[in-house]
Amino acid sequence: GQNIDQPTEMTATEGAIVQINCTYQTSGFNGLFWYQQHAGEAPTFLSYNVLDGLEEKGRFSSFLSRSKGYSYLLLKELQMKDSASYLCAVRDADNYGQNFVFGPGTRLSVLP
Amino acid sequence: DTEVTQTPKHLVMGMTNKKSLKCEQHMGHRAMYWYKQKAKKPPELMFVYSYEKLSINESVPSRFSPECPNSSLLNLHLHALQPEDSALYLCASSQDNVYLGGYTFGSGTRLTVV
Repeated sequence: GQNIDQPTEMTATEGAIVQINCTYQTSGFNGLFWYQQHAGEAPTFLSYNVLDGLEEKGRFSSFLSRSKGYSYLLLKELQMKDSASYLCAVRDADNYGQNFVFGPGTRLSVLP
Repeated sequence: DTEVTQTPKHLVMGMTNKKSLKCEQHMGHRAMYWYKQKAKKPPELMFVYSYEKLSINESVPSRFSPECPNSSLLNLHLHALQPEDSALYLCASSQDNVYLGGYTFGSGTRLTVV
């Protein structure tokens, strides 16, 4: 089974940097994903980590430590449009990697 | 084409109605998924189709019936739903069942059961 934890809500200021943490406990692991979801819209893919380390993609970076069951999403130079929910999702190794479980999501509010 | 298209975008149905949600993708993805999402909650997996065969059913009530007519289409047939089934229904697709990539989500169908 999977257990994924994220903070429920975070608040940050425009132009700042924010780090959203995700911890997971899984019986298997086949990659960790971060998605952004604006209210009433579909999730959109942000990043993917399967090996330890940092993946950078413009203003967004994601880090993974498999031994610690830990990931974070780092958002730099925050903009108002970054106000959204950020979902951490783990793809386990069962069923040929079809099991894809989302964490509870972190609602980020960016203030002017 | 890099999109997953879902129709309709909004649906209101009575508890005795029969309706269908449709999902279409033309990216050559061989795995397709139905998720249910309630407000302020993460998406919950309902069904997975891999190569047009149902591979995962997450103990979903029989009033939800999935169908995959071909590799590009995924339907969700609805019958005798309850008000608590009101939610955003998301369709997603991915390269195939072992590809280490992410999903592409459709924009969802917002379903209200009255």
